[in-house]
Amino acid sequence: QKEVEQDPGPLSVPEGAIVSLNCTYSNSAFQYFMWYRQYSRKGPELLMYTYSSGNKEDGRFTAQVDKSSKYISLFIRDSQPSDSATYLCAMSAGAQKLVFGQGTRLTINP
Amino acid sequence: SAVISQKPSRDICQRGTSLTIQCQVDSQVTMMFWYRQQPGQSLTLIATANQGSEATYESGFVIDKFPISRPNLTFSTLTVSNMSPEDSSIYLCSCQPPDGGYTFGSGTRLTVV
Repeated sequence: QKEVEQDPGPLSVPEGAIVSLNCTYSNSAFQYFMWYRQYSRKGPELLMYTYSSGNKEDGRFTAQVDKSSKYISLFIRDSQPSDSATYLCAMSAGAQKLVFGQGTRLTINP
Repeated sequence: SAVISQKPSRDICQRGTSLTIQCQVDSQVTMMFWYRQQPGQSLTLIATANQGSEATYESGFVIDKFPISRPNLTFSTLTVSNMSPEDSSIYLCSCQPPDGGYTFGSGTRLTVV
């Protein structure tokens, strides 16, 4: 079993839809949770950074962490074609290495 | 947040040769990380590099193949040695600035022919 599980998709939704991306994990030591967006031929871009459980909102993006269920989510509201990318969840147990999910390829259709 | 300049952005190399990838951070960071991302795959950590000590390699990666330098708190290099076509991949460096989330360079797309 992988430490971090993420549905690779692909996921295709119409413009304006709410997108929900999810990851589960098995290591209860993880405390720091991140979501990255990666466009083709580019490096990962940090979207959201959360410590421990709870919600965090930044514009159209909301990150949720439920440590009791070992489950994290990223919601994208009013999705735009420019949101089409691969989204990677990542987590760490402190000042240590990041463990990544497989990445979900998302396409927003105009 | 920290900004990382990584170069080269891409290269095509002959098998048996070596390539050195450089990453420059615009602020001092304690740890830097090197990842490999194969086509359509997620990121796999190669090694963690602290300034003033030898890098720590993950299972499946060895220093002779991927030597790393970390001469100061803003710079690191990764060398891919004695390359074969199986080394064709994207190589990424990363750091964790004091304000939180890990930042990545733009990546080096390596093709070995």
